[in-house]
Amino acid sequence: DAKTTQPNSMESNEEEPVHLPCNHSTISGTDYIHWYRQLPSQGPEYVIHGLTSNVNNRMASLAIAEDRKSSTLILHRATLRDAAVYYCIRPTTGNQFYFGTGTSLTVIP
Amino acid sequence: NAGVTQTPKFQVLKTGQSMTLQCAQDMNHNSMYWYRQDPGMGLRLIYYSASEGTTDKGEVPNGYNVSRLNKREFSLRLESAAPSQTSVYFCASKTGAGGLAGYNEQFFGPGTRLTVL
Repeated sequence: DAKTTQPNSMESNEEEPVHLPCNHSTISGTDYIHWYRQLPSQGPEYVIHGLTSNVNNRMASLAIAEDRKSSTLILHRATLRDAAVYYCIRPTTGNQFYFGTGTSLTVIP
Repeated sequence: NAGVTQTPKFQVLKTGQSMTLQCAQDMNHNSMYWYRQDPGMGLRLIYYSASEGTTDKGEVPNGYNVSRLNKREFSLRLESAAPSQTSVYFCASKTGAGGLAGYNEQFFGPGTRLTVL
């Protein structure tokens, strides 16, 4: 089962850090974790992905638990433009990407 | 680079009509995907093509056919449209067909909004 579990919604104040959690308890040792986000009326946009260690890029950081059964996407300073649905995905061995309903992030000015 | 392009952007069909959604990518990617997204829902995989000349079913393939015309283009056909196929359709592509699952990221097109009356 390639499904992941995320909270339906979260809120954050503008310019504060946001930690978006994801549970992927059935992950295997060689599966990557991907995060995408979808702004209103747009296609999904790649955010970050990683395998074992923490990853950073210009958009966000990804913290992966030592047992790899969970991960956290970190937005260091939320802006209004970060309001979106965030999807945590564990691709299958056939490279299929299963999107759940994601976490809808509201950023409060 | 245009990335992933989709045509048309909007389409209205009557029940029973047929149509083909077009997708093209200019990133020399091997793998291409078709998803649908119903209101308030996440994306669901319809079909994918791991490489030119191959196609495979995803979660919700019924009522659809696909063609990987060449490395750049991957089309989705509705032979007899039904109201249940009203949705937003996204095409995506990524480099690499095999290797570790999810080694590379997917790039998405802007979507086609389809309404079937």
